[in-house]
Amino acid sequence: DGGITQSPKYLFRKEGQNVTLSCEQNLNHDAMYWYRQDPGQGLRLIYYSQIVNDFQKGDIAEGYSVSREKKESFPLTVTSAQKNPTAFYLCASIGGELATNEKLLFGSGTQLSVL
Amino acid sequence: KQEVTQIPAALSVPEGENLVLNCSFTDSAIYNLQWFRQDPGKGLTSLLLIQSSQREQTSGRLNASLDKSSGRSTLYIAASQPGDSATYLCAVKETSGSRLTFGEGTQLTVNP
Repeated sequence: DGGITQSPKYLFRKEGQNVTLSCEQNLNHDAMYWYRQDPGQGLRLIYYSQIVNDFQKGDIAEGYSVSREKKESFPLTVTSAQKNPTAFYLCASIGGELATNEKLLFGSGTQLSVL
Repeated sequence: KQEVTQIPAALSVPEGENLVLNCSFTDSAIYNLQWFRQDPGKGLTSLLLIQSSQREQTSGRLNASLDKSSGRSTLYIAASQPGDSATYLCAVKETSGSRLTFGEGTQLTVNP
C-alpha cells in the first residue's frame, strides 16, 4: 500500500541535543512538507521541498533543518537552537498537477517532547 | 497574505443532526480548497478537494461547497454519528505550485 511513514511515533529530546524525525513516502510524490502543530492550534509550515535537492523555508524554520537527497525521503532535524520543540510534527506530500494527485496526504505524526 | 478562518472553534451536537462547518478565506483567487479530518494524536485525513472551477464535491454523507467570490466554503455533514467526532480543518491553495494555508479547525463532538 502506498503511503507516508513517519517515525518514531514518540520522541524525547534532552536539552542541547539534536534529534531527527523521519518521513518516507512511496507515492512517487514530488513535493514534501513538514508542519508543526501545537495543542489547540492550526498547522504551521516549517520547511517544504518541491523537488530533490531543493527545499524552502516555511513560516517557522528557525531551529530546524532538512535535506532532500532522495525523492522518497524528507527528514527533519530539530536542533538545539529550537528552544521550544515540544509539539506534534506532521509530514505531508503531494503529487503532480493532475486533479487526482493534488490531495495533500499526511503521515501519522511524531510527538516530540523535551525531557 | 492569505488568511483562513474557521468558525466555530468547537461544536457539540446530538447524534442524527445535520450540521454545517464554515471556512472563510481572505483572498478569493484560490486554486483549490481541501477539507481534512483529524482524530486526536493522529495525522490529517483528506476528505474532499474542490477545484476553483467547481462549486461542490460530495462523498457519502459529506458535501463541501465553494463560493470563491465571497471567500467561503462549507462542509455539510448529514445524519451525524458519534464516529464523526474529530477536528475538521480546511486549507486553501493559491496557485498550482504553492503551499496550503490552513485554518485552525473546528472541533466537532457528536453525542450519542
